[in-house]
Amino acid sequence: ETGVTQTPRHLVMGMTNKKSLKCEQHLGHNAMYWYKQSAKKPLELMFVYSLEERVENNSVPSRFSPECPNSSHLFLHLHTLQPEDSALYLCASSHLAGQSSYNEQFFGPGTRLTVL
Amino acid sequence: GESVGLHLPTLSVQEGDNSIINCAYSNSASDYFIWYKQESGKGPQFIIDIRSNMDKRQGQRVTVLLNKTVKHLSLQIAATQPGDSAVYFCAENINNTNAGKSTFGDGTTLTVKP
Repeated sequence: ETGVTQTPRHLVMGMTNKKSLKCEQHLGHNAMYWYKQSAKKPLELMFVYSLEERVENNSVPSRFSPECPNSSHLFLHLHTLQPEDSALYLCASSHLAGQSSYNEQFFGPGTRLTVL
Repeated sequence: GESVGLHLPTLSVQEGDNSIINCAYSNSASDYFIWYKQESGKGPQFIIDIRSNMDKRQGQRVTVLLNKTVKHLSLQIAATQPGDSAVYFCAENINNTNAGKSTFGDGTTLTVKP
């Protein structure tokens, strides 16, 4: 295992539902990421948190709301999603550039989201 | 805009053969490159990385080659095994950013035939 866990692994929700995805890392990293992975598309970076502060928000619709209460946990709150939001949502973590010579990202297994 | 791209979306090889997966990048400021492997039902996993001050790095059965002149990156897998079947992504980074922001390529699906 990579040291990054995600729950739930699968989620089916209606367009009017509110749900949250959870990510937890046990690697002592200080940066965490949310990615969207759709079929036949590159990984799309959604949000980056560095030392619990959001440093990147790549024009993501407001129906996705991230939360980083501490350096080990990351949430993605979902509300009024659209069917085109169905995808694999991946969480990752890494050291910050100044903490380590290498800051490769460690990914969780993802949450497979289906919006009906 | 800047992008990282792979030359072939799919690659099929015979078990025991060597595999070569290619990637082109366009951001000349990128100084750190990573190859990831993603198996079915799992997130991407780190395989090997290389800094821009190197042109070759070897791991266990894998070698990454970097050609900065033509902005090309390749992953070579020796004696390919069925367990190597997966999607392979290259990622480029500018490592002086506070948090590692990777730009990922499209991915190459490697299929190993027994």
